This record gives sequence, C-alpha cells and structure tokens, in this order.
Amino acid sequence: GENVEQHPSTLSVQEGDSAVIKCTYSDSASNYFPWYKQELGKRPQLIIDIRSNVGEKKDQRIAVTLNKTAKHFSLHITETQPEDSAVYFCAADNAGNMLTFGGGTRLMVKP
Amino acid sequence: EAQVTQNPRYLITVTGKKLTVTCSQNMNHEYMSWYRQDPGLGLRQIYYSMNVEVTDKGDVPEGYKVSRKEKRNFPLILESPSPNQTSLYFCASSFSGNQPQHFGDGTRLSIL
Repeated sequence: GENVEQHPSTLSVQEGDSAVIKCTYSDSASNYFPWYKQELGKRPQLIIDIRSNVGEKKDQRIAVTLNKTAKHFSLHITETQPEDSAVYFCAADNAGNMLTFGGGTRLMVKP
Repeated sequence: EAQVTQNPRYLITVTGKKLTVTCSQNMNHEYMSWYRQDPGLGLRQIYYSMNVEVTDKGDVPEGYKVSRKEKRNFPLILESPSPNQTSLYFCASSFSGNQPQHFGDGTRLSIL
C-alpha cells in the first residue's frame, strides 16, 4: 500500500517569512495529492490539491509542487501570518480508492 | 448548508460496551470514510465506502465495523471497545476517493 512521509514534524517561522513542508510517497500509481489544514480543535480542511498531470499549482500565498519522478511534493506558504499557525497534512491517493495521510506538520508563525 | 454530521461529539465509556458513532452527509456524496487521529500518527483510514452496500478496509480496520445501507449514512461500530481505541475519530465524504474530502467535526472517544 501507499506510504506517505512528511517533514518536518514541527516548523517555527517568523511572521512574513516563507514556510515549506515536504512529503514523499511510495506508490508510483498515485495521482492525487491534497493538503489539509487543521486548526486546534477543528476539523481538517482542504487548502489546495494537485493532480499528477501538473507540476505546480498556486492559490494566493499557497503553492504546491509535485515531482512525480522523485515521488515527492511540497507545500509552500509565502508571507506567513499568525492565522497560518495550524497542523498541515499531506496525503496521496491509493488507486483512487483511499487517501493515505502523512504524520502532519505543526506550523507556528511568531508575530 | 453542506455538511458532514457526526454524533456523539464526545463519549466516555468502558471496555466491552458496544457503541456506534453515526455519520451523515447531505451532499449526495458516493464516497464516505472513517479516520482515527492519534498524536504523531496523523490521520489513519479505518474503513471506506465507495457506494451503498460497498465497503472496504482501510489501514487500521481491526476492532471496527461499518455499514452503508443508505447513501447519506455511514455509521462506525465498535462491537467490543478496548482502551487502545481511545482516539479522535473523523468521518469524511466526497464524490470519490481522489476528490476533496469534507470532514465532520470529529468524535472524541475515551475507552476506560
């Protein structure tokens, strides 16, 4: 089955700096790679996703890059703000039937 | 309002006492799934369902049962709960397994 590893497990940045979270996956057949943000005590919510037919996708301050050859994908947050503080999860699909999640990254943005 | 509703939100119970966590969605989604969330382990899929009467095991199905008799409902059943099932549980739904998933608010289970 799919195995997704996520790094780092914690990340502390100064407000205004950029943050990068990286994930690797094992199943070369995976085609869908979402990122979820989970604020304290809340449900995970999708912030961006990418499919294997593109290498990069941007939405305002958030971008995701995908390298299918190397089987890794990354989340980039620019101009971080305190409200970006949360736990972020990457995931990869397994033959379109289920999602396997990474272990999560706790991002702390210091004012 | 589009939503996934889980009940109960919190439950403290004892080992061996059967319990059911309900999940309902109003988005006409075909795909539904259950996850458990434990510190440092992220979200692990327990079971998923691709449609009515179609269910399959996720990564951690031991000790759990599910059923999908109607499209909107996907209950999670713990026939004989044990302390290692103490966790935060999320139900999610989507149009398919590789589409954005909408999560419920979570159910915090404590098995004593």
